[in-house]
Amino acid sequence: ETGVTQTPRHLVMGMTNKKSLKCEQHLGHNAMYWYKQSAKKPLELMFVYNFKEQTENNSVPSRFSPECPNSSHLFLHLHTLQPEDSALYLCASSQDTGTGVFFGEGSRLTVL
Amino acid sequence: KQEVTQIPAALSVPEGENLVLNCSFTDSAIYNLQWFRQDPGKGLTSLLLIQSSQREQTSGRLNASLDKSSGRSTLYIAASQPGDSATYLCAVKSARQLTFGSGTQLTVLP
Repeated sequence: ETGVTQTPRHLVMGMTNKKSLKCEQHLGHNAMYWYKQSAKKPLELMFVYNFKEQTENNSVPSRFSPECPNSSHLFLHLHTLQPEDSALYLCASSQDTGTGVFFGEGSRLTVL
Repeated sequence: KQEVTQIPAALSVPEGENLVLNCSFTDSAIYNLQWFRQDPGKGLTSLLLIQSSQREQTSGRLNASLDKSSGRSTLYIAASQPGDSATYLCAVKSARQLTFGSGTQLTVLP
C-alpha cells in the first residue's frame, strides 16, 4: 500500500480510442502530479495540480487532458494517441513545496 | 532551468561492497533533494529526503548527503545485497517543479 493508487496498471489502446487513467491519493496531500516515463529518458513532468487548480502544464499535447475534481483524485484522459505515447505514466502527490513526493505504481500504456 | 545529472549511468558490484551514487544539479536554489528507488516496471519508492538546510539523512544501510553550494548529493549504500539491484533516481525540488536525473542502474552480483 503506497498511499497513491493508480488504475489501470496496464492499458492497451488503439490510436482512435478514448480512455482514462485514474489516480487516488490517501495521504491528505494538496498537490498531485502526472509524469511520463519513456524508455531511456528521464522522467518528464506533464501536469501539476495544487488544491485542484492546474499550476503547471509542461507543453503537453492536447491529446492528453487532465482532470482534478478534488485534491484526492486525478485523471488523465487520453484520446487519439500516437504509438510514441506508449510509456509508463506515473502519478505522484505531495503536501507542499517543502515535503517529499510520493509515487503510485504507474500505469503502463501501450498504443497500437 | 534546473538540470540534474547522475553518474554513473550503470554500476555493477559484488555483494557486500560499499558503494556511492552521485547526483549533481545546476541551480542551488532548492527546497529539498529526494532519492528514489525504481524496480523494473514499477513506480518510484522514496528512500531519503534531505531538506535544503540539512547535510545528510540516514536510513538503515543508506546514507544521503547534500552539499547545496556545490550542487552535489551522494547516496551511500553499505554492505550491498542482491536485493538492492534497481535503478536509483535523485530528484531536486525547486520553486516550480521536481526535476529528475536519468538514474543509476545498480546491479549487485551474488
